[in-house]
Amino acid sequence: DVKVTQSSRYLVKRTGEKVFLECVQDMDHENMFWYRQDPGLGLRLIYFSYDVKMKEKGDIPEGYSVSREKKERFSLILESASTNQTSMYLCASSGGGWQPQHFGDGTRLSIL
Amino acid sequence: AQKVTQAQTEISVVEKEDVTLDCVYETRDTTYYLFWYKQPPSGELVFLIRRNSFDEQNEISGRYSWNFQKSTSSFNFTITASQVVDSAVYFCALTPNNAGNMLTFGGGTRLMVKP
Repeated sequence: DVKVTQSSRYLVKRTGEKVFLECVQDMDHENMFWYRQDPGLGLRLIYFSYDVKMKEKGDIPEGYSVSREKKERFSLILESASTNQTSMYLCASSGGGWQPQHFGDGTRLSIL
Repeated sequence: AQKVTQAQTEISVVEKEDVTLDCVYETRDTTYYLFWYKQPPSGELVFLIRRNSFDEQNEISGRYSWNFQKSTSSFNFTITASQVVDSAVYFCALTPNNAGNMLTFGGGTRLMVKP
């Protein structure tokens, strides 16, 4: 079974802080994704990575950056957290082609 | 650009009722994939089904069935004899052929099954 692990289920940070969300997958998947989930908006793609050190912007990259130094790990960085970044963040990974994405449990981030 | 619309934001049924969740999509691509995911209260999205645009056969898996109609750009999901454990948020998603597996999600439908 594919396992996607996000480092925290709940996180509370303050405005202006630099925030790191970590995601690790154990299936040697090429593709990894970061989404945010907000009520009524579904999931929106922030960034994705198709290989180590490679990244592509998704639909809403503003205010975020990512890092993928190793194949199994994909980090989402909020450079200077703001209250409008309070949300549920979901990480996913998938193999090549149109293989289904496998998701982590999510991190509920609150910015005060 | 792609778009996925799930017009039903919330549905409430009583156990053993049948329920259909609607999904309508827009894409200019002729080749694409459609997905359904389930998100139980625990939060993790669980993959349910993938369907490519060339395969319009309906699919049944136990109490779940999917009706793909290209003519109406719809990919509806029916749960027969619903159970309390079916209570979750369900997402429909689309990826076109050239999008590198990037998914566009609908807004989700929250299904509540009451005993």
